[in-house]
Amino acid sequence: GENVEQHPSTLSVQEGDSAVIKCTYSDSASNYFPWYKQELGKRPQLIIDIRSNVGEKKDQRIAVTLNKTAKHFSLHITETQPEDSAVYFCAATSYGGSQGNLIFGKGTKLSVKP
Amino acid sequence: KAGVTQTPRYLIKTRGQQVTLSCSPISGHRSVSWYQQTPGQGLQFLFEYFSETQRNKGNFPGRFSGRQFSNSRSEMNVSTLELGDSALYLCASSLERPGETQYFGPGTRLLVL
Repeated sequence: GENVEQHPSTLSVQEGDSAVIKCTYSDSASNYFPWYKQELGKRPQLIIDIRSNVGEKKDQRIAVTLNKTAKHFSLHITETQPEDSAVYFCAATSYGGSQGNLIFGKGTKLSVKP
Repeated sequence: KAGVTQTPRYLIKTRGQQVTLSCSPISGHRSVSWYQQTPGQGLQFLFEYFSETQRNKGNFPGRFSGRQFSNSRSEMNVSTLELGDSALYLCASSLERPGETQYFGPGTRLLVL
């Protein structure tokens, strides 16, 4: 089955710096890769996702890149702000199949210092 | 549209008891997935229901079970509770497949004493 590794487990940056979180997956059939942000005491919320037919996707300060050959994908946050502080989870699954389910990485706790 | 809702939000139980958690998906969503979230293990997949049938199952013991009703609402049940079952239980809904965008509910925090 699918296995998703996420690094680093904690990340501390200064406000305005960039943050990068990396994930690797094992199943070459996986083709859908969402990223969720979970603030303390709140539900995980989808912030961006990418499908395997594209290599990069951007949404304002957030971008995700995908390298299918190496089976890894990364979340990039530019110009970080204190409100970006949260736990970020990557996930992978096979979109379009009824048997697929999201397999999550163990999360990265991002702290943005003012 | 209203988001995914879960009840109750908090529960305290003792070992050996059983518990039932409820999840109402976004209107029109037919797939409901359940996850257990703990500090050490992150988000672990329990099971997924679609059209009142369990379609996928994670690696949890048979004490964890669930069902889905014709209106897509789902319940999960944990019998013979153990201390290690203390966790945040999250459900997520998607249109038809777990591989589509999933929207999470606020979770039910279960404490087993």
